[in-house]
Amino acid sequence: AQRVTQPEKLLSVFKGAPVELKCNYSYSGSPELFWYVQYSRQRLQLLLRHISRESIKGFTADLNKGETSFHLKKPFAQEEDSAMYYCALPDSWGKLQFGAGTQVVVTP
Amino acid sequence: KAGVTQTPRYLIKTRGQQVTLSCSPISGHRSVSWYQQTPGQGLQFLFEYFSETQRNKGNFPGRFSGRQFSNSRSEMNVSTLELGDSALYLCASSVGRGLETQYFGPGTRLLVL
Repeated sequence: AQRVTQPEKLLSVFKGAPVELKCNYSYSGSPELFWYVQYSRQRLQLLLRHISRESIKGFTADLNKGETSFHLKKPFAQEEDSAMYYCALPDSWGKLQFGAGTQVVVTP
Repeated sequence: KAGVTQTPRYLIKTRGQQVTLSCSPISGHRSVSWYQQTPGQGLQFLFEYFSETQRNKGNFPGRFSGRQFSNSRSEMNVSTLELGDSALYLCASSVGRGLETQYFGPGTRLLVL
């Protein structure tokens, strides 16, 4: 069965420190994964997706099929990165399976 | 382009009542999906509509239903409301189906008393 796991509910980091949000998945086919972000009082929005392989706001994510992971990383956290982050796995028809989410708090 | 819009933004109902939520997708988008967001269960898929037909459905009771109109606007209906239906209901639109990026609306916050 399709499944997305985000093991950390809360991640607290200092400004300027590296941040890594973990995401593991189970999927029988070749997965396409997304990271969505929800800033305070804003709508859920796409941060990045595996297939585009681009870096958004300094964040990158690499799909590791061997470890079935799609961890989100940023080398130097900023205060504006404080938000809720969701890893999402679509089925072939686009139905998104979301992880439980990780709340990131960046303190100065 | 204007983003996905949802109305109303807030709603208070009592148990047993029914409610209809509305979603207007981004112009040109033909697929509309609905999600329920709660602190306990997180984000859960309700259903997806494409070309006025329900194409995909999540694990929700039949009290949850929806429809899509020819202009791609969608409505979601919940009948016989229960306290547990209190949630943020999100609508997302995409150009087509499959692995298209979904763009989310601000949500409708429903409180059932």
